[in-house]
Amino acid sequence: KAGVTQTPRYLIKTRGQQVTLSCSPISGHRSVSWYQQTPGQGLQFLFEYFSETQRNKGNFPGRFSGRQFSNSRSEMNVSTLELGDSALYLCASSTGQGSYEQYFGPGTRLTVT
Amino acid sequence: AQSVTQPDIHITVSEGASLELRCNYSYGATPYLFWYVQSPGQGLQLLLKYFSGDTLVQGIKGFEAEFKRSQSSFNLRKPSVHWSDAAEYFCAVGARGATNKLIFGTGTLLAVQP
Repeated sequence: KAGVTQTPRYLIKTRGQQVTLSCSPISGHRSVSWYQQTPGQGLQFLFEYFSETQRNKGNFPGRFSGRQFSNSRSEMNVSTLELGDSALYLCASSTGQGSYEQYFGPGTRLTVT
Repeated sequence: AQSVTQPDIHITVSEGASLELRCNYSYGATPYLFWYVQSPGQGLQLLLKYFSGDTLVQGIKGFEAEFKRSQSSFNLRKPSVHWSDAAEYFCAVGARGATNKLIFGTGTLLAVQP
């Protein structure tokens, strides 16, 4: 099976802009979770989608949003970008049946200037 | 609050030596525990997991971990380290009441000397 894919891999944006990141989960997986990784805060959970519904949410401002499509692909959007949003954004997929076992993609490196 | 502590930020071992990476968790019930590895510029790869049952779990790449409830620990071990094991290692616990939300430790960066 193909693994989790994320596009784009690298992105440079300017403060105030918005950005959309995409994630395609492993075939058959219905859950997609998003994490932000920064040197200062480490790995932090953003949100999880299961069957097109947001099931869990982390402690991030409303500028961070996401959605999931009927084919389980997911997108996350960050509006009004701030310098502090520069990070590696990781997507993880799982069956969604409660095992917490997740498989991560390679990430999207976002740089905000 | 649930949390994961990895006391060692950076560890250096010689190739062929044994390795133990420490992980302590704070959780009120039997936790779901994981170890992931991250190579530079890459995503996270699942090494092993503990859900229940046998407290010694085997993973990929020759790694194993032991769950010790009395010590709230889930330490990762490998009997003989290879140069390719140099990477950052993360311990994680499944958040109670929030399926698929993982709480990660701060990571341990492993360097391997020839």
